[in-house]
Parts: sequence; C-alpha cells; structure tokens
Amino acid sequence: QQQVKQSPQSLIVQKGGISIINCAYENTAFDYFPWYQQFPGKGPALLIAIRPDVSEKKEGRFTISFNKSAKQFSLHIMDSQPGDSATYFCAASVAGNTPLVFGKGTRLSVIA
Amino acid sequence: KAGVTQTPRYLIKTRGQQVTLSCSPISGHRSVSWYQQTPGQGLQFLFEYFSETQRNKGNFPGRFSGRQFSNSRSEMNVSTLELGDSALYLCASSLFGRQETQYFGPGTRLLVL
Repeated sequence: QQQVKQSPQSLIVQKGGISIINCAYENTAFDYFPWYQQFPGKGPALLIAIRPDVSEKKEGRFTISFNKSAKQFSLHIMDSQPGDSATYFCAASVAGNTPLVFGKGTRLSVIA
Repeated sequence: KAGVTQTPRYLIKTRGQQVTLSCSPISGHRSVSWYQQTPGQGLQFLFEYFSETQRNKGNFPGRFSGRQFSNSRSEMNVSTLELGDSALYLCASSLFGRQETQYFGPGTRLLVL
C-alpha cells in the first residue's frame, strides 16, 4: 500500500516557467513533509520541508503548499532553470523521527 | 565536513551470492538508515540503526540485514541474492534520527545477474 502518491511521473517545463509537483498522503499521523532533489549519480538531498501547522513555506524559488484537509502538498519551482532538471521526491514521516515514506518521484526536465 | 560515504559504489553479483555494503556517516551522526531505490518501487526504507541497535525496520525479507559499529559506521548484508535485488542502495545519516538533519550518501549500485 503506497502511503504517499506523487504526480506527475515526469514533467517538462520551459526555462523561466513554473514547475508544479503534487503529492497526496493517507496517514493522518504524518507531520513532517520534506521534498528531496536527486541528480544522476547522487543521493537525494533535502530541498525544503514543511510541518502541518503552516500552509506554505518558501525558500528562494522553491515553495511548498500544504493542504491538511485534503491531505495534499505540492512543490512549486518558480523561474525554473535547466539546472533544476533532476528527480524530485516528496516524503512524509511521523514525528520527524521515524523512517521516511517516499513518493515514487518526478523527473523534471527544464528546457531552454 | 565530509559527507556520507558508501563503498563500493558499484557491484555486480550473481544470483545466490551474498553481498555486504558499507556506509560511513557524517562525523558525529549516530543514526544510519538504509533505503533501496528501484525504478518501479522508488525509495523504500530497509532499516535504521542508532547507537549500534536496530531502531526501525522496513518490510523486507530476512535476507536483508544490517549492523552498526561503535564508530557509527554501518554495513548491510544481503544473502542469497535475487535478480530483483538489483537496485541503488542508499545510506543516510543523521544526528539522532531527526529527518531534518538527515543526509544521504551517493549510494551503491548493485546489479544481480
């Protein structure tokens, strides 16, 4: 049973455009929602994370929007750049301590 | 500060063999988690070790095992390899298991023939 569903599987965005990746979760006990960025040959790197007490968190060009009632959260990448081309994973955990449950990833390609 | 290191980076084995992968966490990190990454299943949690004790375990068969040493270095072992074990095995370390402080290594790519 997949506890975190991520969409789309792949995404192509023009340089300067907005990339949007969505995730939905089932376990209402989840209270930590990070996004990871992974480049080929590298391990995932924490990009940005949110807790359910806020509806939005912004760090530079990256924003997480969180909808607790809908059990959904999304990553928005503003002014997408070719260097943002990577695979993005959403994840969730309980109490920030337990193992992360990951979505299946979105391969983002930003084209000039 | 050195990051998480994993050795070897690439490995080819045949079915039925066993394999041991190694992970050296960031200095001072006491928690080490292992994940399996495959194109079909994505990232799946294998187990977590903290202070030499297994603290959490994912839903993998007993062929997958691990251990942690007093210096926080960790090894994972897979016995009786199957074709489906071909994957990228990622190790992540954190201070006390807190996700906010978790850093992943580059992984070991295992190919089972």
